[in-house]
Amino acid sequence: GQQLNQSPQSMFIQEGEDVSMNCTSSSIFNTWLWYKQEPGEGPVLLIALYKAGELTSNGRLTAQFGITRKDSFLNISASIPSDVGIYFCAGTNFGNEKLTFGTGTRLTIIP
Amino acid sequence: DGGITQSPKYLFRKEGQNVTLSCEQNLNHDAMYWYRQDPGQGLRLIYYSQIVNDFQKGDIAEGYSVSREKKESFPLTVTSAQKNPTAFYLCASSSGTRPGTDTQYFGPGTRLTVL
Repeated sequence: GQQLNQSPQSMFIQEGEDVSMNCTSSSIFNTWLWYKQEPGEGPVLLIALYKAGELTSNGRLTAQFGITRKDSFLNISASIPSDVGIYFCAGTNFGNEKLTFGTGTRLTIIP
Repeated sequence: DGGITQSPKYLFRKEGQNVTLSCEQNLNHDAMYWYRQDPGQGLRLIYYSQIVNDFQKGDIAEGYSVSREKKESFPLTVTSAQKNPTAFYLCASSSGTRPGTDTQYFGPGTRLTVL
């Protein structure tokens, strides 16, 4: 099955810095989702996007649905230690029963 | 508390043995899913079920089997036919069958190591 490409694969940043990551697909999606997975746990949904160009925020997190519908972006402002984890994008289309997940971006915060 | 439980957290098995991973939910969700996670890869769908007594293969079903005899339970059996079974296994459930709008809630996962 298809997997979405996420970049960067990993990030090492200092507390307080802003973070940007993206997710690209070879095919169009009409729904993009962003999940966060903490060590040893299952992913938790952060943001859902349903319209090309849509910009949605959840606290310090902001995600965008790319205009081409083949990509999505996640930004985290003023990072804090609890932001550590793996961030996954996922895409799907209306009527599809399955999600396609990205390869993940691992975020590490340097003290 | 409402949620999804997976047991055990860590599981060790010898090569050639079948092993069953448990997934239980008390959220009254109709749909349940099993995913496999490997380092550096995203989640890959093994099997999913939209209703009791019915299930469908996902993208990597070979070497796995499932059952859905009760709404709240969706056990996954990793058979000896699965060539590379060592992985982190995640169970999820959702109230409906449209992943774009019906949020999938994940359990804490089971890490299976085959020796």
